[in-house]
Amino acid sequence: GENVEQHPSTLSVQEGDSAVIKCTYSDSASNYFPWYKQELGKGPQLIIDIRSNVGEKKDQRIAVTLNKTAKHFSLHITETQPEDSAVYFCAPNNAGNMLTFGGGTRLMVKP
Amino acid sequence: SQTIHQWPATLVQPVGSPLSLECTVEGTSNPNLYWYRQAAGRGLQLLFYSVGIGQISSEVPQNLSASRPQDRQFILSSKKLLLSDSGFYLCALDRGNYGYTFGSGTRLTVV
Repeated sequence: GENVEQHPSTLSVQEGDSAVIKCTYSDSASNYFPWYKQELGKGPQLIIDIRSNVGEKKDQRIAVTLNKTAKHFSLHITETQPEDSAVYFCAPNNAGNMLTFGGGTRLMVKP
Repeated sequence: SQTIHQWPATLVQPVGSPLSLECTVEGTSNPNLYWYRQAAGRGLQLLFYSVGIGQISSEVPQNLSASRPQDRQFILSSKKLLLSDSGFYLCALDRGNYGYTFGSGTRLTVV
């Protein structure tokens, strides 16, 4: 099965700074790399994903980069805002298989 | 569009009482469905998954059970709740190449 690790487990940044969360995985067959955001008291929501044929994807202030050789991918948030405060989960997977979630990263953006 | 509904949002139950949490989906047929539990400040623990009516797989031994009486209905149950069953319960719908959609969650407190 897939072994997934996220780092750091907690991250505190000042509003306006950038935040980077890294996810490492073990299954070289993984080809789908999503990031989920979970706000307090709510279910996780998919915020961005990337597939193995692409190295980077950007959507406004968030981006995901993939290094398949090293088996890791990262979530980048620029110009952080208080509403970015949440727990973020990665879930690398081989399409068609169950997602394996990382342990989560608590991001706190201080105003 | 595919949607998922989960209820109730919060529940306070005494130890030894039964439990029934319901999850229903719309806009899809024969979906893969999942039940997760999340302890406070922790990650997502997969409890059960179902690939079709009457088909349930359990990931961890526990005091809970699941059933899939209809294609778009997934139920989490317990005959006698324990204090350790407290947590945030999430139902998830597998959208194939588009990741998972999570329900809004049920906060269960066993007292």
